[in-house]
Amino acid sequence: AQSVTQLGSHVSVSEGALVLLRCNYSSSVPPYLFWYVQYPNQGLQLLLKYTSAATLVKGINGFEAEFKKSETSFHLTKPSAHMSDAAEYFCAVSLYSSASKIIFGSGTRLSIRP
Amino acid sequence: DAGVIQSPRHEVTEMGQEVTLRCKPISGHDYLFWYRQTMMRGLELLIYFNNNVPIDDSGMPEDRFSAKMPNASFSTLKIQPSEPRDSAVYFCASTRTADNSPLHFGNGTRLTVT
Repeated sequence: AQSVTQLGSHVSVSEGALVLLRCNYSSSVPPYLFWYVQYPNQGLQLLLKYTSAATLVKGINGFEAEFKKSETSFHLTKPSAHMSDAAEYFCAVSLYSSASKIIFGSGTRLSIRP
Repeated sequence: DAGVIQSPRHEVTEMGQEVTLRCKPISGHDYLFWYRQTMMRGLELLIYFNNNVPIDDSGMPEDRFSAKMPNASFSTLKIQPSEPRDSAVYFCASTRTADNSPLHFGNGTRLTVT
């Protein structure tokens, strides 16, 4: 069975600083990995998706994530945080590129300090 | 594209009452998912449908929960009788079978059972 672990339920960074949100996965077969973002009082939106085409995946709003098989990691980064990045971020795993059964991590709340 | 539409946005009910949550997926999407989000348990997959047929309901907490999808444009999640521990935000999401199609979430229904 596949699973994801997000390290740190809350991350706080200063505006303009590097954002790093950590995600480790467990899967018996090569997984498909996702990052979703949830703004207050809204549903989740896809940030980016890894489907084995390239290990470095670029998403919306300047975010990117790198798939590292040796570390079973898929950390999310952004070089310079913006106030509008404040939200909850979810890492997710699936055995398929479509969302037939996608399992979400527990989420990391990102706060941005002025 | 109106997105996934959920109703109501907020529901407050008393313990023992029946609650019905509604979802209209995006037209043309053949997968529909119901998730529950709480602070304690995060985002949990309750059940999902493919072409209106329930595929996996292993996440449904107990027999008090039931879900139906009578046609491609409508689904319901019913709780009868409701209990305070059912208080959560319930999300509906839909997607297409085609590769690279992400999950599209509705804005959720916040359920409070007193």
